[in-house]
Amino acid sequence: EPEVTQTPSHQVTQMGQEVILRCVPISNHLYFYWYRQILGQKVEFLVSFYNNEISEKSEIFDDQFSVERPDGSNFTLKIRSTKLEDSAMYFCASSSTEFNYGYTFGSGTRLTVV
Amino acid sequence: GEDVEQSLFLSVREGDSSVINCTYTDSSSTYLYWYKQEPGAGLQLLTYIFSNMDMKQDQRLTVLLNKKDKHLSLRIADTQTGDSAIYFCAERNRSGGGADGLTFGKGTHLIIQP
Repeated sequence: EPEVTQTPSHQVTQMGQEVILRCVPISNHLYFYWYRQILGQKVEFLVSFYNNEISEKSEIFDDQFSVERPDGSNFTLKIRSTKLEDSAMYFCASSSTEFNYGYTFGSGTRLTVV
Repeated sequence: GEDVEQSLFLSVREGDSSVINCTYTDSSSTYLYWYKQEPGAGLQLLTYIFSNMDMKQDQRLTVLLNKKDKHLSLRIADTQTGDSAIYFCAERNRSGGGADGLTFGKGTHLIIQP
């Protein structure tokens, strides 16, 4: 069964450093998403991406965040200057249609900012 | 704003039925989902229901939707040890169009007793 692949599974970074979280969505999917889950809290929507541009973003997705689809397979989330409160599990997801049947999620990248 | 609430824990005996409950606040929710997360894994879509449906059955899973009370439940028949996981309720509002994000609950930890 096709999978969404995320790398790395765990990343530790110093406060103020830039991090790039990588995702390989399912190959024929057209819609891409990032979500995050701070430990003990809800899974929160960050951003959706379609046709090489951001479709929607939440209040969390401020100027410190950016997304990119640099080639035909990767979808990345960049955090420019990490803060302690950015520590969370970050999930990538993709879907083939706009949203009807839910998404396929990756296993997540656990980001720890120290 | 939108909110989705679930109890944090549910403990059942192996072989019994599990019923996981969820309430949501957004009356314009059009799609409601149940996701399963096993340790170290991503979010796996279990089932979904459109807001114009009251019930959906898929093998051991039964989803009930009470639109008046904004209450969604997931019943797992003949619960097995492999069902042990965190179950997330999520809703989607189609009002804005585009690739809207999901609003998740905090998740219910399903614990199976032998």
